[in-house]
Amino acid sequence: NAGVTQTPKFQVLKTGQSMTLQCAQDMNHNSMYWYRQDPGMGLRLIYYSASEGTTDKGEVPNGYNVSRLNKREFSLRLESAAPSQTSVYFCATSPGGEGADTQYFGPGTRLTVL
Amino acid sequence: AQSVSQHNHHVILSEAASLELGCNYSYGGTVNLFWYVQYPGQHLQLLLKYFSGDPLVKGIKGFEAEFIKSKFSFNLRKPSVQWSDTAEYFCAVTGVNTGFQKLVFGTGTRLLVSP
Repeated sequence: NAGVTQTPKFQVLKTGQSMTLQCAQDMNHNSMYWYRQDPGMGLRLIYYSASEGTTDKGEVPNGYNVSRLNKREFSLRLESAAPSQTSVYFCATSPGGEGADTQYFGPGTRLTVL
Repeated sequence: AQSVSQHNHHVILSEAASLELGCNYSYGGTVNLFWYVQYPGQHLQLLLKYFSGDPLVKGIKGFEAEFIKSKFSFNLRKPSVQWSDTAEYFCAVTGVNTGFQKLVFGTGTRLLVSP
């Protein structure tokens, strides 16, 4: 089992460009999450999907959109990238419909916006 | 809303030294608590978790943590660290209520163990 996979691993964008970060899981988990990790700030939740067909905003949703394509896939889109979105992005999943479950993380996408 | 404080941002230890990383949370109700570890260049992995029962929980690689409800704390300990413990450690909390509960992370503690 691959667990949680993310593509791409690295990306450099120019300000104003758009891109989609992909996340897929083969763990049959219901809930999926997108976080960003910045030095000294820990992980902050961008968006989450409690179950297939639902998405909700997290702590820092501005500038992002998400799509829960099916149970396996949860994508994060930057419509017009800004330097403030330079970060490492992690996708995570958890088994049930409750956030109290253990979360399992993907390897991350390192994004630089120039 | 819950919040998590990790007071030590950087810790430097020699091998075989004992480790204690502080974690305090702010939440009025019942909580579930987690410690995650991120080794250099890797993704986050669960180190240990507390949901209920014995407040002293043991995790992987000899780590343990104690939940002290009266102090709103969940400190991480290891009696003797190794060079391979060099990593960033994150405490996280979620409230236990009805409805979907999100995980809130602390800002992390970067541990460097010198050989």
